[in-house]
Amino acid sequence: DIQMTQSPSSLSASLGDRVTITCRASQSISTYLSWYQQKPGKAPKLLIYTASTLQSGVPSRFSGSGSGTDFTLTIGSLQPEDFATYFCQQSYSAPLTFGGGTKVDMK
Amino acid sequence: QVQLQESGPGLVKPSETLSLTCTVSGGSTSNYYWSWIRQPPGKGLEWVGHILYSGGTNYNPSLKSRVTISLATSKNQFSLKLTSVTAADTAVYYCARLGIGDRGGWGAFDIWGQETMVTVSS
Repeated sequence: DIQMTQSPSSLSASLGDRVTITCRASQSISTYLSWYQQKPGKAPKLLIYTASTLQSGVPSRFSGSGSGTDFTLTIGSLQPEDFATYFCQQSYSAPLTFGGGTKVDMK
Repeated sequence: QVQLQESGPGLVKPSETLSLTCTVSGGSTSNYYWSWIRQPPGKGLEWVGHILYSGGTNYNPSLKSRVTISLATSKNQFSLKLTSVTAADTAVYYCARLGIGDRGGWGAFDIWGQETMVTVSS
């Protein structure tokens, strides 16, 4: 199985901050990497797919980069609605696996 | 737009079978994979398995001996059966649409159903 390791597991940030979350795969997954946002009591929402493609309707302050084993999700300027938990997920091989999540809360 | 809606019992007894159905509205089941994902309380996300619109399936090896995912195209529904459940199967279960990626591989989970909490308890 491909292990997906996110860091940090949690972070505190202020409105307007630039936030970066890292996801590392245990082996190369090319760009078969997606990012999701989850708020309490809600289903995850797709933000980014193929490592850097913004899903339709997602604000442009979200961006993704990386390939191979190392990936980054960046929130350019943190907004109130961005406080949530973020997950990465690989679709390179089965079983499809998710990172452990990064919780972004208010400083 | 396409929406997914799970249905099924919220309480299942140990050793029995968990059965959930996901109804697809606003579109057909063609040209996508249809998936089940679960999230134990306070934990991360675990892919359970998926079925292609043409009927092929992939299951998580950790659950493979107990899982069956089926598709009822005429009803625009797909279903999950998980046998011999234990407390470890207590989780929020999501159905989700998985896109077909480049070169026929898997894409991303772009549409999710609302959460369905399933508790395994006597």
